[in-house]
Amino acid sequence: GQQVMQIPQYQHVQEGEDFTTYCNSSTTLSNIQWYKQRPGGHPVFLIQLVKSGEVKKQKRLTFQFGEAKKNSSLHITATQTTDVGTYFCATNDMRFGAGTRLTVKP
Amino acid sequence: EAQVTQNPRYLITVTGKKLTVTCSQNMNHEYMSWYRQDPGLGLRQIYYSMNVEVTDKGDVPEGYKVSRKEKRNFPLILESPSPNQTSLYFCASSFFPDRKYNEQFFGPGTRLTVL
Repeated sequence: GQQVMQIPQYQHVQEGEDFTTYCNSSTTLSNIQWYKQRPGGHPVFLIQLVKSGEVKKQKRLTFQFGEAKKNSSLHITATQTTDVGTYFCATNDMRFGAGTRLTVKP
Repeated sequence: EAQVTQNPRYLITVTGKKLTVTCSQNMNHEYMSWYRQDPGLGLRQIYYSMNVEVTDKGDVPEGYKVSRKEKRNFPLILESPSPNQTSLYFCASSFFPDRKYNEQFFGPGTRLTVL
């Protein structure tokens, strides 16, 4: 199956700072999904990207799909304590990246 | 309410004692899967099922069995659990993955400890 690498593994930010996590695949993806898992919770679907170069926004979250459809990023502007959790990308054949764990200092 | 349920939520057992973790969804999804989550390794797929009576191995199937006799249920069976199967397990469901939209709905998780 398709393998996807996700970086960084951990990110600690001060509240109000920005945050970005990246996913990279060695093969072209037909789509990519992003999930958020709060501490002690289960993964929850955030969004799916399908088109080359696609950019989607959800309030302070911006999702991008690379032109070659091999990489994707999730950017959070002005983090809040409610953003704490682990963010995962997932490929179209349901393979997940290792996740980026975000902690936010108030 | 649309949901995926898992039972039990927590389980402590001993090596070699067969166990089953149940998973059920009420969304009429064709696709169901099992993942294990370990620190630093993310979610790794154990088995998946495209539909009733159709199951396939994921990335880490050794030591596990599944069955899909009904569309809504997808139990995970550990015939002879070992300590390296101590993990957090998630069941998930989705519409058939060949469709354009692949959102997966996850159950609350089962934390398994094998002594």
